[in-house]
Amino acid sequence: EDQVTQSPEALRLQEGESSSLNCSYTVSGLRGLFWYRQDPGKGPEFLFTLYSAGEEKEKERLKATLTKKESFLHITAPKPEDSATYLCAVGGTGRRALTFGSGTRLQVQP
Amino acid sequence: DAGVTQSPTHLIKTRGQQVTLRCSPKSGHDTVSWYQQALGQGPQFIFQYYEEEERQRGNFPDRFSGHQFPNYSSELNVNALLLGDSALYLCASSSNLADRYGYTFGSGTRLTVV
Repeated sequence: EDQVTQSPEALRLQEGESSSLNCSYTVSGLRGLFWYRQDPGKGPEFLFTLYSAGEEKEKERLKATLTKKESFLHITAPKPEDSATYLCAVGGTGRRALTFGSGTRLQVQP
Repeated sequence: DAGVTQSPTHLIKTRGQQVTLRCSPKSGHDTVSWYQQALGQGPQFIFQYYEEEERQRGNFPDRFSGHQFPNYSSELNVNALLLGDSALYLCASSSNLADRYGYTFGSGTRLTVV
């Protein structure tokens, strides 16, 4: 059974204070690891797909990295508008479903 | 370009009743997946529809059923509602490039069972 664990559950940062979110996963045959952002009252919004260990993707202040057991979402010099819940999910080979973690609630204070 | 549209946005039902939730996928998408998201948790996969057939199902009882129409829109039906069915129900649409471009989620239907 695919499993995803995210830490920390919640994170409060000052504007400009860089940090990382962790996603540990187990999956039999990784099809892809996905990062989504979810704002209150909205559905998740796609950020990145990572396919293999060593891969990195960047978007503005966000950078996602992948190892064989973990993925990290690095947030550089965050702004208040980066406040959201960040969800990590894995897709297994031959399976349509995504298995999501419980997310990290990020709050960036001005 | 409209994204994924879900209706209704909020719904209150009584235990034992039945409910139907609706989803219109993003233009150009032919696959619809349904997820249940409890408060403070990540979304849980219910099932996926493609070409009007259920392609895969998650670990949900038969009380949860669905349908996809020729225009790719979809319905989620839940029978014999339980208090534990209270959650945000998310519809996600995709094309065959879902892994590269991700799923597009709607804003969800908030179901409260009393």
